[in-house]
Amino acid sequence: EAAVTQSPRNKVAVTGGKVTLSCNQTNNHNNMYWYRQDTGHGLRLIHYSYGAGSTEKGDIPDGYKASRPSQENFSLILELATPSQTSVYFCASGDRSFSYEQYFGPGTRLTVL
Amino acid sequence: QQQVRQSPQSLTVWEGGTTVLTCSYEDSTFNYFPWYQQFPGEGPALLISILSVSDKKEDGRFTTFFNKREKKLSLHIIDSQPGDSATYFCAAKSTNAYKVIFGKGTHLHVLP
Repeated sequence: EAAVTQSPRNKVAVTGGKVTLSCNQTNNHNNMYWYRQDTGHGLRLIHYSYGAGSTEKGDIPDGYKASRPSQENFSLILELATPSQTSVYFCASGDRSFSYEQYFGPGTRLTVL
Repeated sequence: QQQVRQSPQSLTVWEGGTTVLTCSYEDSTFNYFPWYQQFPGEGPALLISILSVSDKKEDGRFTTFFNKREKKLSLHIIDSQPGDSATYFCAAKSTNAYKVIFGKGTHLHVLP
């Protein structure tokens, strides 16, 4: 029933390792977003996409890549994870409709040791 | 400048009291202002939103006010309940923009 799902929900990675965070939405929304949430910083936009095959840099893209292979799926990739990327990551979907509402997933807690 | 400033960072109120959260912005192209509510362990969810053509919107105990001249908005929660304890984010967006600009959030604690 959940419209935006994320996997894994928790992840522990080692410094220098590759991490892939996955997001799936069943809202049939064109737009998808990846945010990270840290105390004192709120929600910061990493990458976003306005359709399958597109990815755009957000406000803090360094150290992250994104992939949108289909309307439903949007992945965030950390090629060489660093401890500074320890955070809670949220995926969201939204449409270019009047409401502009974004629908968030439950989040992934990533710890890089 | 595309930034949304939110205050206070943290707020504690007694059950039954009125909560007031405020935000300010500078970019005059912003015309859509949502408030998101986030409970611990969950993602944010839209609580209430307002367009710049309006100055007030109510939804039950929650009311958002918009002052275009001063570039400020506020969220009022009347008869605050312990179940309202959460983090509240104000945000802003321009027409045709893909990005929503979020404030840093207010942690609200409602004590019984």
